[in-house]
Amino acid sequence: GAVVSQHPSWVICKSGTSVKIECRSLDFQATTMFWYRQFPKQSLMLMATSNEGSKATYEQGVEKDKFLINHASLTLSTLTVTSAHPEDSSFYICSARGEWGGGTEAFFGQGTRLTVV
Amino acid sequence: LAKTTQPISMDSYEGQEVNITCSHNNIATNDYITWYQQFPSQGPRFIIQGYKTKVTNEVASLFIPADRKSSTLSLPRVSLSDTAVYYCLVVNSGYSTLTFGKGTMLLVSP
Repeated sequence: GAVVSQHPSWVICKSGTSVKIECRSLDFQATTMFWYRQFPKQSLMLMATSNEGSKATYEQGVEKDKFLINHASLTLSTLTVTSAHPEDSSFYICSARGEWGGGTEAFFGQGTRLTVV
Repeated sequence: LAKTTQPISMDSYEGQEVNITCSHNNIATNDYITWYQQFPSQGPRFIIQGYKTKVTNEVASLFIPADRKSSTLSLPRVSLSDTAVYYCLVVNSGYSTLTFGKGTMLLVSP
């Protein structure tokens, strides 16, 4: 299958600072990328969907000014958590979908554990 | 957006075949059924995708009846390492959205 790389795998930041998470599709062009957050023992909650070169579409209840998503190229999307607070601590996961040699299904990054102290 | 319903949890033993059924009564004509596996603190891993009848790959089979209102993921001869959460998703061909339900926690015991 195709490879999606997410960086960093974990990050600890101070309350009030901003954190950027990168998501890269390594061997295919990602026309669509999805960002999720996941709390312990819960399912993935879709935060936003982004298409290359377009503004992200945010799910209801997700603050677009707090969670800045940029999908500037067909292989890179970034999520910036601005003015992070302890309640933003969570597991953030990206997914990328595009055409690759085997098909068109979506693939996921390994996730980023964010801890805000 | 087709909603999916799966059992919350299932238990099995090593070497057994496990079948996880997912219902998706509101599936649309251009929707596909996709299954993912997730281990703790990892991103989901694609298992299999199908539209109708039966699809098989090296790790699983997917059975979809003619009405497509349900599907069954079949894992042959499970091992301890198959303990994970399994998610059934209904995805439109354009992938305009990718929403997860609650998933099924499969526990495989020795």
